[in-house]
Amino acid sequence: GNSVTQMEGPVTLSEEAFLTINCTYTATGYPSLFWYVQYPGEGLQLLLKATKADDKGSNKGFEATYRKETTSFHLEKGSVQVSDSAVYFCALGSDSNYQLIWGAGTKLIIKP
Amino acid sequence: EAGVAQSPRYKIIEKRQSVAFWCNPISGHATLYWYQQILGQGPKLLIQFQNNGVVDDSQLPKDRFSAERLKGVDSTLKIQPAKLEDSAVYLCASSQAGINSPLHFGNGTRLTVT
Repeated sequence: GNSVTQMEGPVTLSEEAFLTINCTYTATGYPSLFWYVQYPGEGLQLLLKATKADDKGSNKGFEATYRKETTSFHLEKGSVQVSDSAVYFCALGSDSNYQLIWGAGTKLIIKP
Repeated sequence: EAGVAQSPRYKIIEKRQSVAFWCNPISGHATLYWYQQILGQGPKLLIQFQNNGVVDDSQLPKDRFSAERLKGVDSTLKIQPAKLEDSAVYLCASSQAGINSPLHFGNGTRLTVT
């Protein structure tokens, strides 16, 4: 069945460092891929998405490219800020029932 | 557009008591989800509605949890009786139909069962 695997956290970086959070997936068909972010005390928010192979989603300086050949959707940002501290979830959209398959989440801590 | 509204924001109850959560989705969103998120984990789908019909409730503990979505708009999730392990954040989300439609989440209700 479909599944999503994220790198374990927490990931701790200094401000202005380069960020990569790995996400790989297993799926049949052509799912959509999403990154959601959860700031402390808040609900989940869509960060970016990609709906087909080679698509690049981007938002707030974050990017992720849908790589079908490596079944990956890694999240990257060139220069992180303290305000990026949050939990990041990779998710796969099922085309059979409009449900999301969630990764376990990666906690990101940015130190000033 | 207005976001997904949830209430209450926080709730503390004793075990064996009952509790209800309310959700108002984004106008026009046909699909509504209830998730349970235990601290440090990803969200777990409890139930999914399409308009006022249930699409998936396979992970809903039906001996104590119930949910309804009258008229295909607002939804309530109830727990009766609550157990200690029900302590979690309960998230409501809505989306338009379609695999590419993102989910829009409310801020959740943090439930503590003592």
